[in-house]
Amino acid sequence: GAVVSQHPSWVICKSGTSVKIECRSLDFQATTMFWYRQFPKQSLMLMATSNEGSKATYEQGVEKDKFLINHASLTLSTLTVTSAHPEDSSFYICSARDMAGDFNEKLFFGSGTQLSVL
Amino acid sequence: QQQVKQSPQSLIVQKGGIPIINCAYENTAFDYFPWYQQFPGKGPALLIAIRPDVSEKKEGRFTISFNKSAKQFSLHIMDSQPGDSATYFCAASLSGGYNKLIFGAGTRLAVHP
Repeated sequence: GAVVSQHPSWVICKSGTSVKIECRSLDFQATTMFWYRQFPKQSLMLMATSNEGSKATYEQGVEKDKFLINHASLTLSTLTVTSAHPEDSSFYICSARDMAGDFNEKLFFGSGTQLSVL
Repeated sequence: QQQVKQSPQSLIVQKGGIPIINCAYENTAFDYFPWYQQFPGKGPALLIAIRPDVSEKKEGRFTISFNKSAKQFSLHIMDSQPGDSATYFCAASLSGGYNKLIFGAGTRLAVHP
């Protein structure tokens, strides 16, 4: 199946610093990528929908100035957590839609990034 | 109306048993119902999915049963193995376009040897 590469797999940073997470579709083009946040033993919460070449659409309650999303190409989307604080510590997961197929049946997830803010 | 309710929260079965995980939805416009498997520290992986025009779908040891009138669907894992121990999420969405998946809360399955 298609591969979505997410990097880094884990990151530790100091409070107040910014962290960038990359999500790449390795063998397909993705016009749409999604960013999720998952707390321990909880479900995936959609943060934003990223469309190539346009501004991301954020879910209610997600601070767009804090979680900057860029989808500059058909294979790469980035999430930057700006001025990170301990409450931003979480597991962040991206997913990418293969533009060659139906949305749901061609949706693939990355392996996630564990962010720990000290 | 956008919620997907999943139960049980956790489940323990013996090897060879048939765990059953249930989900219910409200939005009758949903037309795509996938199940995902997630191991600790990893992203979810699509297991099997169903559309409302069929009542059952099998792929290997995994079966989805779908009851459109009751707005419920369930996952059955036949001959469960310790390697099936993971968290399982149901989801629902509208197909096409940029419609997002609505995830259930997840079920932590433990299969004991």
